[in-house]
Amino acid sequence: NAGVTQTPKFRILKIGQSMTLQCTQDMNHNYMYWYRQDPGMGLKLIYYSVGAGITDKGEVPNGYNVSRSTTEDFPLRLELAAPSQTSVYFCASMLVGGNQPQHFGDGTRLSIL
Amino acid sequence: AQKITQTQPGMFVQEKEAVTLDCTYDTSDQSYGLFWYKQPSSGEMIFLIYQGSYDEQNATEGRYSLNFQKARKSANLVISASQLGDSAMYFCAMRELGGYQKVTFGTGTKLQVIP
Repeated sequence: NAGVTQTPKFRILKIGQSMTLQCTQDMNHNYMYWYRQDPGMGLKLIYYSVGAGITDKGEVPNGYNVSRSTTEDFPLRLELAAPSQTSVYFCASMLVGGNQPQHFGDGTRLSIL
Repeated sequence: AQKITQTQPGMFVQEKEAVTLDCTYDTSDQSYGLFWYKQPSSGEMIFLIYQGSYDEQNATEGRYSLNFQKARKSANLVISASQLGDSAMYFCAMRELGGYQKVTFGTGTKLQVIP
């Protein structure tokens, strides 16, 4: 029972490089989310998706892009990495339904140097 | 717009004692859900407890209970009989139950349990 899987777990990037953070879930959840968590802070929503082909911006979308071509996958793309994007990134998925919690991946720790 | 406020950046509690972590929220929605998550030092997010805006009873899950006061817009987490393993960050979150089901998190409270 894998749940939400994020890869990689750790990554160091140079300023200006690009990369894609992978997220996949095997629970057939329609809703998926990307958050970033800066040290000592809460989670800030970057992008979310309510189903394949449908995405929308969260609080802090600048510098990121997403796509959702399948129910299972929701990759997050960083273009032209900047030091301000150093953070821990969490992917989450959720079933629609009042009492359904979000299921989180283990996070990707990203450093931009 | 939704907003979650956790005013206690850090809390200490003696082992075996009870502790209350505060959470207030602001929303114009009538239908919403309130969640608490635990984040230990290892980093994963662990779901603890849920309270729906229309639920008349306070939610309970083992040693966790949620003190829901709708008129005050508060959803405090009560942990009874604290254990050393309860030392962690605790996040309150709110989800709108219509529309895009957006979830908003508070800034968290760091709880340390003292032996």
